[in-house]
Amino acid sequence: AQSVTQPDIHITVSEGASLELRCNYSYGATPYLFWYVQSPGQGLQLLLKYFSGDTLVQGIKGFEAEFKRSQSSFNLRKPSVHWSDAAEYFCAVGADYGGATNKLIFGTGTLLAVQP
Amino acid sequence: KAGVTQTPRYLIKTRGQQVTLSCSPISGHRSVSWYQQTPGQGLQFLFEYFSETQRNKGNFPGRFSGRQFSNSRSEMNVSTLELGDSALYLCASSPSSSTPLTDTQYFGPGTRLTVL
Repeated sequence: AQSVTQPDIHITVSEGASLELRCNYSYGATPYLFWYVQSPGQGLQLLLKYFSGDTLVQGIKGFEAEFKRSQSSFNLRKPSVHWSDAAEYFCAVGADYGGATNKLIFGTGTLLAVQP
Repeated sequence: KAGVTQTPRYLIKTRGQQVTLSCSPISGHRSVSWYQQTPGQGLQFLFEYFSETQRNKGNFPGRFSGRQFSNSRSEMNVSTLELGDSALYLCASSPSSSTPLTDTQYFGPGTRLTVL
């Protein structure tokens, strides 16, 4: 069965520092991969997604992610974190039902705190 | 365009009662998915509706049900509420192309259900 692992439950970084959030997936074929962000009291917002092609994907708010098939990873990065990036980040993989659904399987999330 | 709206935003019920939550998708979107978010289980897929038909269903008991109307608005119902049903219920809409997983899903702010 497909699954997503986010090993870091909580991460604290200083404002201006670089950020990398880890995500590992379990899936046989080329997966559909997503990163979402959730601010307190808000729903989820899509940061970026990967289906095929260039393994380095650019997203909104200055985020990028790199798909590495050999490591089954899709880590999220940002070169310089802003205080407004404090939120919870979720990695997700699209469930495979022959393409007939948009069901997502989410990781447990990484809560990002930003120190001034 | 207006975003995904969910009503009510907050709800308090007691065990044994039933509840109906509503989701209005973005105009033109035909697919609506529901997710349950709890601290213990994270984000879990409940079901997806497309053109008034349930396209996929998660691993939840039959007490959880849903439907979609001709205008794409969706409702989910939980009968005989249990304490463990306390959660944030998120709705997401997408245009639903021929390859649903490539669509961006737009999430609403959620309905916070508390069962006492």
